[in-house]
Amino acid sequence: AQTVTQSQPEMSVQEAETVTLSCTYDTSESDYYLFWYKQPPSRQMILVIRQEAYKQQNATENRFSVNFQKAAKSFSLKISDSQLGDAAMYFCAYRAFSSGSARQLTFGSGTQLTVLP
Amino acid sequence: DTGVSQNPRHKITKRGQNVTFRCDPISEHNRLYWYRQTLGQGPEFLTYFQNEAQLEKSRLLSDRFSAERPKGSFSTLEIQRTEQGDSAMYLCASSLGAGTSYNEQFFGPGTRLTVL
Repeated sequence: AQTVTQSQPEMSVQEAETVTLSCTYDTSESDYYLFWYKQPPSRQMILVIRQEAYKQQNATENRFSVNFQKAAKSFSLKISDSQLGDAAMYFCAYRAFSSGSARQLTFGSGTQLTVLP
Repeated sequence: DTGVSQNPRHKITKRGQNVTFRCDPISEHNRLYWYRQTLGQGPEFLTYFQNEAQLEKSRLLSDRFSAERPKGSFSTLEIQRTEQGDSAMYLCASSLGAGTSYNEQFFGPGTRLTVL
């Protein structure tokens, strides 16, 4: 079974600074997707960034980028120029790629990010 | 708003009562997922539909839980004889999909269940 581990329950960052959230995962699959989701307080979960395991290039979406280390099974999220609106719970998630697997997401336990003005 | 909607947003019930939640996915999405999220944890998968067929059920989905998606449109999740341990946020998500292709799952706002 796949597992996703987020070892930082809480993180804080000063506005305009950079912060990195950590995630490790365990799988026996060779092809899969990894995601970072953002869940603001009392609001619905939204996708921040996605990485396909077969791609060596790290994904980037504006101020958000990932450091994907497949051999180490590590997938960290870097948020540059942090903004007050980035404050939220961030979840790392995994989805298998193979046709025999279900399509559900496996989530980590989350990292609560506070952005300090 | 054409996103995923869930009703009710909050439900308070007494232990032993039955509750039913509804999820309306994005209209063209053929895949629908239910997840459960307890306080301070990430969502956990419960069940998955492709169109009207329920293709996957988690071991978390005990016999007291049943989900349907008639006609492949909205879905309902019913919990019978609720227990205090059922208190959680129940999230619905939907996506397009065929085969192994990736399609983003869009989440609804969730239904928060409190069992007294």
